[in-house]
Amino acid sequence: KQEVTQIPAALSVPEGENLVLNCSFTDSAIYNLQWFRQDPGKGLTSLLLIQSSQREQTSGRLNASLDKSSGRSTLYIAASQPGDSATYLCAVLIKAAGNKLTFGGGTRVLVKP
Amino acid sequence: DVKVTQSSRYLVKRTGEKVFLECVQDMDHENMFWYRQDPGLGLRLIYFSYDVKMKEKGDIPEGYSVSREKKERFSLILESASTNQTSMYLCASREGLKDQPQHFGDGTRLSIL
Repeated sequence: KQEVTQIPAALSVPEGENLVLNCSFTDSAIYNLQWFRQDPGKGLTSLLLIQSSQREQTSGRLNASLDKSSGRSTLYIAASQPGDSATYLCAVLIKAAGNKLTFGGGTRVLVKP
Repeated sequence: DVKVTQSSRYLVKRTGEKVFLECVQDMDHENMFWYRQDPGLGLRLIYFSYDVKMKEKGDIPEGYSVSREKKERFSLILESASTNQTSMYLCASREGLKDQPQHFGDGTRLSIL
């Protein structure tokens, strides 16, 4: 069964520091991996989608890498701001699970002014 | 932009009531999903649908049913609400192709008294 792990569960950084968020998965037979942001009491906002054939995706200050062979993805957020404080979740769409995403537990980020 | 709209942000119901949660998407997506999110348990898939009138059980379908009579609308039904169904409910949709991102609504915070 696919497992998706995000360590650490929580992270606190001073404003301006780069954020590095990790996601690991056990089954490398994936279609894609997606990163989400969730603010307290809200739904999930899609940040980046990386296809299994891609090594990285970028959007503004966000960059996500994918190493399928080692079962890892990293989300980099450059020059963090207090507004980046949120929970970040990764999810993989694995070939064995058809249409269903498998989610990690998330990393709760606090960016201190 | 994809818009996934959940009918209520907050809902309070009593035990034994039949509860309907509605979700509408505006992008003609084939796939729609219902999740619940609880502290420490993460996101858990209740049901999903890959076409009109088609549905599949997720990881925790007990006590729930769903209805998809039109492509844009996916309803979650709590047949006889119980206090352990107090939770945040999240609806999502995704295009049929495997290389597209999944999009979420803002969530419904449901309290069963």
